[in-house]
Amino acid sequence: GAVVSQHPSRVICKSGTSVKIECRSLDFQATTMFWYRQFPKKSLMLMATSNEGSKATYEQGVEKDKFLINHASLTLSTLTVTSAHPEDSSFYICSALTSDRDYGYTFGSGTRLTVV
Amino acid sequence: KQEVTQIPAALSVPEGENLVLNCSFTDSAIYNLQWFRQDPGKGLTSLLLIQSSQREQTSGRLNASLDKSSGRSTLYIAASQPGDSATYLCAVGSGNTPLVFGKGTRLSVIA
Repeated sequence: GAVVSQHPSRVICKSGTSVKIECRSLDFQATTMFWYRQFPKKSLMLMATSNEGSKATYEQGVEKDKFLINHASLTLSTLTVTSAHPEDSSFYICSALTSDRDYGYTFGSGTRLTVV
Repeated sequence: KQEVTQIPAALSVPEGENLVLNCSFTDSAIYNLQWFRQDPGKGLTSLLLIQSSQREQTSGRLNASLDKSSGRSTLYIAASQPGDSATYLCAVGSGNTPLVFGKGTRLSVIA
């Protein structure tokens, strides 16, 4: 089945530094990827929609200058958390549309970010 | 705006019991509905995908039904096992737009 590989799975960084999270579609082309954030025991909150070759579309309240999204190829989308602060600590998950035929989605394994 | 509600929020059952998780959505103009499983600290694993033209999908001990007109879906788990303990998320899709998720049902199956 379609697989999205997300790295790193866990990262600890110091306040003020930047962290890059990668999501790769391994056996299919993902023209669109979605980035979510999840707080403990809460559901997923959509942050942005990433389209290959164009600017990402951010949800209301999400700072585009803090959460930089790049989707330079059909198999890779990256989320960079810039100048990270403790309040950015969270679980970040990417998702890709698997098929234009059935519009099923597959998700990455998530990245646990801790900012100290 | 689409809203997805899952009931119950949490459920604890003894091993071997059959159980039903409920999902409802406000806008019936959906393309499909997808059930996911999430283990603590992990990503989402797709369990079942039901297209709007379908009534149900089955995979092993799991059966998901969809009543699009009434805005409801159920996930039936037969003969539950401790390994089924996880959070189950229901999400509705409208094509290539982002999924809309419910808040999930946290299931604990007690041995």
